[in-house]
Amino acid sequence: EAGVAQSPRYKIIEKRQSVAFWCNPISGHATLYWYQQILGQGPKLLIQFQNNGVVDDSQLPKDRFSAERLKGVDSTLKIQPAKLEDSAVYLCASSYHGEGTNEKLFFGSGTQLSVL
Amino acid sequence: QQPVQSPQAVILREGEDAVINCSSSKALYSVHWYRQKHGEAPVFLMILLKGGEQKGHEKISASFNEKKQQSSLYLTASQLSYSGTYFCGSRNQGGKLIFGQGTELSVKP
Repeated sequence: EAGVAQSPRYKIIEKRQSVAFWCNPISGHATLYWYQQILGQGPKLLIQFQNNGVVDDSQLPKDRFSAERLKGVDSTLKIQPAKLEDSAVYLCASSYHGEGTNEKLFFGSGTQLSVL
Repeated sequence: QQPVQSPQAVILREGEDAVINCSSSKALYSVHWYRQKHGEAPVFLMILLKGGEQKGHEKISASFNEKKQQSSLYLTASQLSYSGTYFCGSRNQGGKLIFGQGTELSVKP
């Protein structure tokens, strides 16, 4: 079974530039999550999709971050414009059902973003 | 509300035991444990759904004390492969999974 795919693996940009990350979850998984993991901290949930609808985006800085999952499969997370404090690993995860259940999450390898 | 893990870091020799604690100031509906090796994705270890529930995975087991709103992860006879950062995650009533800050475990030969 293929895992959660993410790209790119690494990205270096200057502040105020824009960047996009892509995620393809495990086939058949309805729920997709984007987490931000700053060095030395636990993953912080940015947004959670159930199929192509947003379940929770309360921690997403909506003035600069946006995410979509148009066909309920793969997803894109965008930052525009980037700030220095956005430097982190962006992890995508998926689960079979997700909302309200207690299933395990499958994580991708993440995109390491450095904002200079 | 982010769960709090302790200790923040622990160094062991191969074969030694360790306990990692995870506590929350709010009610825990379930506790999830993940391990993340350096530069890799977090990998699922186990979920505890009921108060008092204990689960095991090889020589790694966990307990969940619902009344105390805490969970503990037990690593027995640690192996080099156990090195990594351990995260607990708690599901709140709304179903959102929130992770603790992590406990870095280093097992030395």
